[in-house]
Amino acid sequence: SQTIHQWPATLVQPVGSPLSLECTVEGTSNPNLYWYRQAAGRGLQLLFYSVGIGQISSEVPQNLSASRPQDRQFILSSKKLLLSDSGFYLCAWSSWLAVNNEQFFGPGTRLTVL
Amino acid sequence: GESVGLHLPTLSVQEGDNSIINCAYSNSASDYFIWYKQESGKGPQFIIDIRSNMDKRQGQRVTVLLNKTVKHLSLQIAATQPGDSAVYFCAENIGAQKLVFGQGTRLTINP
Repeated sequence: SQTIHQWPATLVQPVGSPLSLECTVEGTSNPNLYWYRQAAGRGLQLLFYSVGIGQISSEVPQNLSASRPQDRQFILSSKKLLLSDSGFYLCAWSSWLAVNNEQFFGPGTRLTVL
Repeated sequence: GESVGLHLPTLSVQEGDNSIINCAYSNSASDYFIWYKQESGKGPQFIIDIRSNMDKRQGQRVTVLLNKTVKHLSLQIAATQPGDSAVYFCAENIGAQKLVFGQGTRLTINP
């Protein structure tokens, strides 16, 4: 069966510090991968998605970046965090074979920027 | 999409009553619609989906209705239980390997 992991689960970082969030998927090959951000009490905002190694599509211009160094690894980064980067970061995967494009979400990382 | 900055609307129901959560979608070409449930502090979980050529689909205690004429989707939960408390999102498959999520509705259960 497929599983998706995210770490860390929680993170508190000062403004201006760098960020690296990691997401890995097990049990599937060539997944589509996604990064979402969710502010407190808000909806899901798609940040980046990837359909293959090294292929990254950015949905919202910001100080974040994403990379996919391996087939089942997706990394969200920032060189300098802003207060507005606080939120709940969710990684998701989907299969290119799925007709409904159902996405499976990880447990999330709660980021607080102080 | 554009609704991510809005506070979630809230629906409060009595335990045991039926809940109806509504969603408006935008793309007439969407071929699938999915409902997700997100419990506090967790990632969203798939509940049920419906293909665009259907009007109704039933699952265990849940029913999804699709009205393509007015681009409206609803999720009905029968005999609501405390464990149903969560935020519910609709999503439409617009193609290009992406889902577009609605703003979400927070469902609270009154004992």
